[in-house]
Amino acid sequence: AQTVTQSQPEMSVQEAETVTLSCTYDTSESDYYLFWYKQPPSRQMILVIRQEAYKQQNATENRFSVNFQKAAKSFSLKISDSQLGDAAMYFCAYRTTSMIKAAGNKLTFGGGTRVLVKP
Amino acid sequence: KAGVTQTPRYLIKTRGQQVTLSCSPISGHRSVSWYQQTPGQGLQFLFEYFSETQRNKGNFPGRFSGRQFSNSRSEMNVSTLELGDSALYLCASSVGQGPNTDTQYFGPGTRLTVL
Repeated sequence: AQTVTQSQPEMSVQEAETVTLSCTYDTSESDYYLFWYKQPPSRQMILVIRQEAYKQQNATENRFSVNFQKAAKSFSLKISDSQLGDAAMYFCAYRTTSMIKAAGNKLTFGGGTRVLVKP
Repeated sequence: KAGVTQTPRYLIKTRGQQVTLSCSPISGHRSVSWYQQTPGQGLQFLFEYFSETQRNKGNFPGRFSGRQFSNSRSEMNVSTLELGDSALYLCASSVGQGPNTDTQYFGPGTRLTVL
């Protein structure tokens, strides 16, 4: 079974600075998807970024970028030019690509990292 | 497009009762997944429905069940509620027709408190 680990329970960053959140995962599959979701105090989960394992290029969405190291099974999220609105819980998640397998559309989440942004 | 909606947003029940939560997916999405979020266990997958059929199931007791209607709306039912069922229940929808279309979009959740 796949597992996802986020080793940093909480990270603090100064406004306009950069913070990097760590995520490691364990899988025997060669093809899969990885996601970062943001959950602000309102509790609504918002998709931040998505990475397909077969793509070597790291995904980027505006101020959010990932460093995907497939061999190391590492998927970190970098938030640049941090803003007060970035304060939230961030979850790393894994999903297999196979829609035939029983695990098809199931997301496996890490424990989350709380990001605090200081003005 | 309207996002995923969940009703009710908050619910208080007592032990032994049963509860039904509802989820309306994004228009055009045919897959609905349910997750339970608790401080102790984090986010855990309950089940997924696609075209009115359960396609995938997590490791939860049979007290947790669901169904999906022809319009893709889904309901989740928990019978014989226990204190440990207190949680935020999140619903997520996706197109459901292949890995490249299966990014899940979440609703705001239903906060269930069992007394």
